[in-house]
Amino acid sequence: GAVVSQHPSWVICKSGTSVKIECRSLDFQATTMFWYRQFPKQSLMLMATSNEGSKATYEQGVEKDKFLINHASLTLSTLTVTSAHPEDSSFYICSARDMTGNTEAFFGQGTRLTVV
Amino acid sequence: AQSVTQPDIHITVSEGASLELRCNYSYGATPYLFWYVQSPGQGLQLLLKYFSGDTLVQGIKGFEAEFKRSQSSFNLRKPSVHWSDAAEYFCAVGEANSGNTPLVFGKGTRLSVIA
Repeated sequence: GAVVSQHPSWVICKSGTSVKIECRSLDFQATTMFWYRQFPKQSLMLMATSNEGSKATYEQGVEKDKFLINHASLTLSTLTVTSAHPEDSSFYICSARDMTGNTEAFFGQGTRLTVV
Repeated sequence: AQSVTQPDIHITVSEGASLELRCNYSYGATPYLFWYVQSPGQGLQLLLKYFSGDTLVQGIKGFEAEFKRSQSSFNLRKPSVHWSDAAEYFCAVGEANSGNTPLVFGKGTRLSVIA
């Protein structure tokens, strides 16, 4: 089946630095990818929809200048957490459906971000 | 608007007992329905999905789910639970023929399995 690869799986960074998370669809093309954030023991919260070749669409309350999204190709989307703070520590998961929409969403393995 | 309700936040069952996790959805058209499982610190794994056809769908790890349009439900079942089934389970609904819309998730049900 289709695979979405997310990297890194975990990262620790210092406050004030930026962290980039990559999400790749390995055997299908995705014009759209989705970024979620998950707090401990909670459900997935959609942060933004990443659109290939255009600006991402952010959900209400998500700071687009804090969470920069780039979707430069049909197989790669990146999320950059800028000037990270401890409250940005969380589990981030990307997802993609193929362009027909006739499949489930495929998820990356997730990235555990810890800001110290 | 689409929404998914998982009424049970936490369920505990004995190993070998049967399991049913409830899911109700609100959606304007025919939905695509999914159940995912998540182990701690891991991504989501698809258990099963319903697009159309037979309303009883079989998934991996011995799970099945039944789509009941009249009840707007898509409950997940397993006849005999194993200790390794302890995890978080998410029900989700998606829009058909639309790869550029995200799935909408329920809040999840945490399953604990006791000996």
